[in-house]
Amino acid sequence: SQELEQSPQSLIVQEGKNLTINCTSSKTLYGLYWYKQKYGEGLIFLMMLQKGGEEKSHEKITAKLDEKKQQSSLHITASQPSHAGIYLCGAGGPRGSQGNLIFGKGTKLSVKP
Amino acid sequence: DGGITQSPKYLFRKEGQNVTLSCEQNLNHDAMYWYRQDPGQGLRLIYYSQIVNDFQKGDIAEGYSVSREKKESFPLTVTSAQKNPTAFYLCASSNGQGWAGGNQPQHFGDGTRLSIL
Repeated sequence: SQELEQSPQSLIVQEGKNLTINCTSSKTLYGLYWYKQKYGEGLIFLMMLQKGGEEKSHEKITAKLDEKKQQSSLHITASQPSHAGIYLCGAGGPRGSQGNLIFGKGTKLSVKP
Repeated sequence: DGGITQSPKYLFRKEGQNVTLSCEQNLNHDAMYWYRQDPGQGLRLIYYSQIVNDFQKGDIAEGYSVSREKKESFPLTVTSAQKNPTAFYLCASSNGQGWAGGNQPQHFGDGTRLSIL
């Protein structure tokens, strides 16, 4: 079965600093989703990547999927306290599979003002 | 505004009791999902439904039951057979019937936190 490993598990950065979170899959990624979660709340969809080499940006967050489609990274530029939370990557299956996502365990981000 | 509503936000279960968690969506999504989240763990799939009156077991279905009588609603019952029900439960929905509709992002509710009394 597919597993997603996220690194680091937790991260504390000073406001204004850049940071990167990684998500590595044991199998080919057919669709890679990034979500953000605040403690005790639901997941907020950030971005979806499907093609090898694809890169998407929204405000100060950029997500990339490598050419081999087994690793994704989430990069935050000039971090702000509003970026704090848990970031989760989720992977969809190949064509014909069920529609649920497999999730990594999350990366907890704290931003010090 | 369209979205997914989970209720209640907090729920307490007594020994031997069944409890039902509500999940309603007005996004006109075909597929709905229930996940369980434990501290330091990722989300694990309990049940999913791709169409009304049909649902499938996920990875950790034992001790849980669901129904899908309406497109908008996908309630989850935590039965007394579930010996470790304390967790954060998340409901999600997506457009299309799984891959048949193309990979579509799942939209999540705000969750229900279940604890044992």
